Amino acid sequence: DAKTTQPPSMDCAEGRAANLPCNHSTISGNEYVYWYRQIHSQGPQYIIHGLKNNETNEMASLIITEDRKSSTLILPHATLRDTAVYYCIVRPHSGNTPLVFGKGTRLSVIA
Amino acid sequence: SAVISQKPSRDICQRGTSLTIQCQVDSQVTMMFWYRQQPGQSLTLIATANQGSEATYESGFVIDKFPISRPNLTFSTLTVSNMSPEDSSIYLCSVEEGTGFRSFFGQGTRLTVV
Repeated sequence: DAKTTQPPSMDCAEGRAANLPCNHSTISGNEYVYWYRQIHSQGPQYIIHGLKNNETNEMASLIITEDRKSSTLILPHATLRDTAVYYCIVRPHSGNTPLVFGKGTRLSVIA
Repeated sequence: SAVISQKPSRDICQRGTSLTIQCQVDSQVTMMFWYRQQPGQSLTLIATANQGSEATYESGFVIDKFPISRPNLTFSTLTVSNMSPEDSSIYLCSVEEGTGFRSFFGQGTRLTVV
């Protein structure tokens, strides 16, 4: 079973920041937080991952609370192309471990 | 990043028949993973395919229904056997690559059983 809890849906105005929360209160010390998204009819796409420090890449920022029990994915300037289902996944930072998907958050970016 | 080619992209099949889905990766990988995504649902892991050994199936999935081949480090097939309308789903293959253990997915095979 998935170890994360996410709101089922969110809306965001185009050009604004989208903040997607995730609860993972049972996360273990060796587990990382990964975010993926699935745009309609496509395979999931990796976004970002982190252990305890905040992370940023060209796609998004990841903010992890100090107790690591929750995190927030931030899309700084959402566009219509960011409309997708976003999955927060907790998994060990080791090779050949399959992803366990929860229900994710369906983000709708509105013009 | 790994590039995965999955075929066919979609198919409509008669019940009782079988369909074999192919997954080709542009680099050598140890494990390949097969997922199912039923309509409106999230992804569920079917099995893990390791080259040179039998695939490992998740609870609720059996080899007779979903036989998997893994002949080399860049290729795998998943067969959906004796199909029924309940097998109508998107089937995806996935591999892991890189020091960040990122997963990459094929574009999926959209299967409709009539």
